Amino acid sequence: KNEVEQSPQNLTAQEGEFITINCSYSVGISALHWLQQHPGGGIVSLFMLSSGKKKHGRLIATINIQEKHSSLHITASHPRDSAVYICAVSPYTQKLVFGQGTRLTINP
Amino acid sequence: EPEVTQTPSHQVTQMGQEVILRCVPISNHLYFYWYRQILGQKVEFLVSFYNNEISEKSEIFDDQFSVERPDGSNFTLKIRSTKLEDSAMYFCASRETGGYTFGSGTRLTVV
Repeated sequence: KNEVEQSPQNLTAQEGEFITINCSYSVGISALHWLQQHPGGGIVSLFMLSSGKKKHGRLIATINIQEKHSSLHITASHPRDSAVYICAVSPYTQKLVFGQGTRLTINP
Repeated sequence: EPEVTQTPSHQVTQMGQEVILRCVPISNHLYFYWYRQILGQKVEFLVSFYNNEISEKSEIFDDQFSVERPDGSNFTLKIRSTKLEDSAMYFCASRETGGYTFGSGTRLTVV
């Protein structure tokens, strides 16, 4: 069983739509990370969360520690938001454990 | 904004050859990592490095892998005898106490 599960695996939406990507995990964690991977392969860190909610521009990330669940929201989505969004957790060790990613495509 | 720099961006090597992947982490970061991503699969942890020694390693990181910080700035991953299944994107990352900064990756192709 995967320690980090994301849904959906693929998501296609129209420009302007509100986007939600979900992440569930099965282990105790010290933090949860949302990352963005562009077609060229590079990985960019978006958020690190240990509780509550964070907002950066049109991106919002929330976490519910009791339910072991996090969501990443994108408001007013734009074609440049098209990328793979990855949830990763720090399970009280040095490493990150990654989900399989959600491929988001925003059509104009 | 500070960056993690990886070289080369792409390397093709013959099976059985040794490769060295290089990384320059952010200078004031204390924790360094190597991850890999086989095409179409999720990112996997290889090894973490702190205070000039390995702090954690995965089952993947067997005797054919090694890491070094040879000169206090570079952080290298060596694969002694490459196999076809080592073909992947290899990411270096560093962090201080907060979030991670990833390099842009080295795509290793073993033929």
